[in-house]
Amino acid sequence: NAGVTQTPKFQVLKTGQSMTLQCAQDMNHNSMYWYRQDPGMGLRLIYYSASEGTTDKGEVPNGYNVSRLNKREFSLRLESAAPSQTSVYFCASTSRVGNNEQFFGPGTRLTVL
Amino acid sequence: QKEVEQNSGPLSVPEGAIASLNCTYSDRGSQSFFWYRQYSGKSPELIMFIYSNGDKEDGRFTAQLNKASQYVSLLIRDSQPSDSATYLCAVNRDSSASKIIFGSGTRLSIRP
Repeated sequence: NAGVTQTPKFQVLKTGQSMTLQCAQDMNHNSMYWYRQDPGMGLRLIYYSASEGTTDKGEVPNGYNVSRLNKREFSLRLESAAPSQTSVYFCASTSRVGNNEQFFGPGTRLTVL
Repeated sequence: QKEVEQNSGPLSVPEGAIASLNCTYSDRGSQSFFWYRQYSGKSPELIMFIYSNGDKEDGRFTAQLNKASQYVSLLIRDSQPSDSATYLCAVNRDSSASKIIFGSGTRLSIRP
């Protein structure tokens, strides 16, 4: 049982390049989330998927797109990376019922030059 | 006004003392409240959650919720150096777990 996995762990991009961050969970959770964390800013919600087949914008969606490929996988795409997107990206998942505890992946550290 | 507000700290507490961390939220309809601990360079991990007004205790940790004042706190008794971390308050605005908002975190330092 791996929990929440993210790839890659580190990435350096040049301005204007595109990339997709991958996230998968094996806990049969319904809801999945993408956050970014900048120094002193806490976690800010980019997009979330309450259930398979649905996605919604969070606090800071501009410059990002997401795909809920199936119940396990939720990817985040940067179409044209900008230096302002340099951050640590965390994927998380939660079951719909219970205490709604979010389980986090290890994070992807992205630098855009 | 931010939806979830925390003092960024750092909060410095001597070993063995009580550390008190505070969080306020703006949405009066918020349903559930969480405290996460995050060590430097690591991902957040849940340490407490609370739904009802009052206190909830788990070992050295006590979460306190006051919905009328829109205030939630975390007390850490007998603070240990291993408690040094950033503590994130999170608020779930609806019962479907579809949207959880985090505060910016309070950095706690336990001095020996």
